[in-house]
Amino acid sequence: GAVVSQHPSRVICKSGTSVKIECRSLDFQATTMFWYRQFPKQSLMLMATSNEGSKATYEQGVEKDKFLINHASLTLSTLTVTSAHPEDSSFYICSANRVGTDTQYFGPGTRLTVL
Amino acid sequence: GESVGLHLPTLSVQEGDNSIINCAYSNSASDYFIWYKQESGKGPQFIIDIRSNMDKRQGQRVTVLLNKTVKHLSLQIAATQPGDSAVYFCAEKGWGGSNYKLTFGKGTLLTVNP
Repeated sequence: GAVVSQHPSRVICKSGTSVKIECRSLDFQATTMFWYRQFPKQSLMLMATSNEGSKATYEQGVEKDKFLINHASLTLSTLTVTSAHPEDSSFYICSANRVGTDTQYFGPGTRLTVL
Repeated sequence: GESVGLHLPTLSVQEGDNSIINCAYSNSASDYFIWYKQESGKGPQFIIDIRSNMDKRQGQRVTVLLNKTVKHLSLQIAATQPGDSAVYFCAEKGWGGSNYKLTFGKGTLLTVNP
């Protein structure tokens, strides 16, 4: 149990376009989901915390108008990178907290490449 | 600000040996710690966790030790196998103002030589 999926696994887009990444908890409900960004050979950096039915909480330095987060149900959160630029190229990873537990389960990640 | 860091960025061991990966944390108020394994191109995989009211916790081939006096955390892997080769992160759970959140350490690359 506790499987988190992400779609797509890889995406290549042109500069200036928007990209949507989905994060789903497949076999459990998650009131809270998290979005991380990871650059090569670096650690995971939390971008935002997404609570079902409410606005996301963004970390300092993360532009909320550029990284749109929607958490419309207990099993789905989406991250939209708007007007993507090459510097947004990164590995985006989501995680979900199983209701009633402290453990975060991570998705497989989405590799975004902006040309 | 508070941070979680690692002493060793890389560790190379022989297959069958035991591995020890270390982590230092700075937030004395932290009460929950987790070790994750990340293989290349994949998301982090939960290995084991420990709460601050414990000093030691064991899983299958893994043991986590917590020394609150010196704010140190370690992950021990017994009989290391090639499949254990990955980057290992410690993470610290803390209150972020509106939610609990994880702060990750820098990671240690473990290479297991056959």
